[in-house]
Amino acid sequence: AQKVTQAQTEISVVEKEDVTLDCVYETRDTTYYLFWYKQPPSGELVFLIRRNSFDEQNEISGRYSWNFQKSTSSFNFTITASQVVDSAVYFCALSEAGRIQGAQKLVFGQGTRLTINP
Amino acid sequence: DSGVTQTPKHLITATGQRVTLRCSPRSGDLSVYWYQQSLDQGLQFLIQYYNGEERAKGNILERFSAQQFPDLHSELNLSSLELGDSALYFCASSVESGTGVPYDNEQFFGPGTRLTVL
Repeated sequence: AQKVTQAQTEISVVEKEDVTLDCVYETRDTTYYLFWYKQPPSGELVFLIRRNSFDEQNEISGRYSWNFQKSTSSFNFTITASQVVDSAVYFCALSEAGRIQGAQKLVFGQGTRLTINP
Repeated sequence: DSGVTQTPKHLITATGQRVTLRCSPRSGDLSVYWYQQSLDQGLQFLIQYYNGEERAKGNILERFSAQQFPDLHSELNLSSLELGDSALYFCASSVESGTGVPYDNEQFFGPGTRLTVL
């Protein structure tokens, strides 16, 4: 069965600090996809990144970076020089590559509430 | 804007009532997913339709049902509502990409419907 664990329930840092959100996943499939979503106070889910299981290269997008390590089944997310606007709940999610067309549900972690204080 | 629309945005009703949530996927997307986000259960997959057919079921209660119509919009019906059904209900749609197994999808989320049961 698939499982995603975000052990950090809440994180609070001061603006401009770097912060890393942890994500550990479990799956028996060899082909899968990992995602990060941001949920600001307004409630919508904002897609941040998708990574497939064959691509272990780290990715950087502006102040955001992701570290994917299959050996430890982790897909961690780092925000560099955090800003108040980064305050949100962040979800890590897993989707196994489907064998049936149109059947790839997302399994979400419990989320990490990140608060950036000015 | 993801291109997925959900109506209504907010819904307040009483216990024992029945409500219908509506989702219109992005143009061309054949798959529709429903997720529930509650305080105690987190973000959970409920059910998925692909081109009018049910493809996957998650932790969906028997009091809940869904369908996808020929124009590909979907409705989630919640009946005999209980206080615990209060939650944010998300719809997502996806486009199937890739030329074969394993199927790859990227899900685009709607803004959600916030249901409050009093």
